[in-house]
Amino acid sequence: DAGVTQSPTHLIKTRGQQVTLRCSPKSGHDTVSWYQQALGQGPQFIFQYYEEEERQRGNFPDRFSGHQFPNYSSELNVNALLLGDSALYLCASSSSGGTKFSYNEQFFGPGTRLTVL
Amino acid sequence: RKEVEQDPGPFNVPEGATVAFNCTYSNSASQSFFWYRQDCRKEPKLLMSVYSSGNEDGRFTAQLNRASQYISLLIRDSKLSDSATYLCVPSGAGSYQLTFGKGTKLSVIP
Repeated sequence: DAGVTQSPTHLIKTRGQQVTLRCSPKSGHDTVSWYQQALGQGPQFIFQYYEEEERQRGNFPDRFSGHQFPNYSSELNVNALLLGDSALYLCASSSSGGTKFSYNEQFFGPGTRLTVL
Repeated sequence: RKEVEQDPGPFNVPEGATVAFNCTYSNSASQSFFWYRQDCRKEPKLLMSVYSSGNEDGRFTAQLNRASQYISLLIRDSKLSDSATYLCVPSGAGSYQLTFGKGTKLSVIP
């Protein structure tokens, strides 16, 4: 049973550039969430995609955008990179078919470590 | 009040010890609670889900007190492999996001 996969593993960019990160959800999952984790902090919610639409968004600027494809995979795009965007970017998948309690059980991929110079 | 508050630790305990972590949350409408463990520079891994008053899985026991908005995680017979950061995550209340605190760091010492 394939878990959540993310690519690339590591990425180095310079300020002002744009980056695209990719995520494939766990088999059987249809919902993808993205989180940013800075060093020493807990993951911070960026947004969630379900049925190819952004369903909920956290407190992140419009430079952060995403997409979900018909096969449930997802991309995170960040434009005009800032030094402060350096972080571990985590994708998490979940199933909309769970109960009212378990629907939000999210399983994380290994992350993409982004360094902005 | 922060959404999730945990003692950051670190908790340094010998192998075989019992250790407990506490977590308070601010949103009284939270319906589900998760404990994740995160190893250094790795992704969070779901350790336990709590939907009612508590849950037990082997050496791990979680207790939920909705009236006090408090949840705990007890680890018995600690192993070296338990060394990690433990994250308490309340969820639900009409939201799809998981709200993480900074977690509690545990080091199990030989």
